[in-house]
Amino acid sequence: GAVVSQHPSWVICKSGTSVKIECRSLDFQATTMFWYRQFPKQSLMLMATSNEGSKATYEQGVEKDKFLINHASLTLSTLTVTSAHPEDSSFYICSARDFQGSSYEQYFGPGTRLTVT
Amino acid sequence: GENVEQHPSTLSVQEGDSAVIKCTYSDSASNYFPWYKQELGKRPQLIIDIRSNVGEKKDQRIAVTLNKTAKHFSLHITETQPEDSAVYFCAASIDRGAQKLVFGQGTRLTINP
Repeated sequence: GAVVSQHPSWVICKSGTSVKIECRSLDFQATTMFWYRQFPKQSLMLMATSNEGSKATYEQGVEKDKFLINHASLTLSTLTVTSAHPEDSSFYICSARDFQGSSYEQYFGPGTRLTVT
Repeated sequence: GENVEQHPSTLSVQEGDSAVIKCTYSDSASNYFPWYKQELGKRPQLIIDIRSNVGEKKDQRIAVTLNKTAKHFSLHITETQPEDSAVYFCAASIDRGAQKLVFGQGTRLTINP
């Protein structure tokens, strides 16, 4: 149980275009999902907290107009990188908590490697 | 906000020896401390976690200790094996709102055969 999937697993796009990444909780309902970005040899940095049915909460320094987050259902959150640039190339990972349980654990997706050329 | 510091950044030990990774946190309200193992290009895998009402937790070769007064927690791996080689991250979660995780900088552990 507690499986989180991401799609796509990798994507290459041209500078100036937009890319959408999906995060799904497969066997539980996730009222809250989290989006992280990880640059090579660095730690995971939280970008935003995605809440079902409401606006995402962005961390300081993360451009909300550039990284659009939509959490339309209890099992799906999407991250759209708009007008992507080479510096947006990174490993994007989502996670979700099963708030119906008492566990604090976050379940991570497999990540999406974005390369902007 | 919460800040988590992790040391060392790299650690090399002989197979069979023990490895210890240490983290400190800044917010005394933090109450959940997970440790993750991440292999290259893969998702972080939870290997052990501890809550603030517990001082120590052990799972086979892996143990975590927590000192709430000093605000630090440590990961101990005994009888290390080559497959333990990976990057390890500590994290802390504050018991407010969405309970988001703040990660340490990571430790690259290499087990030498």
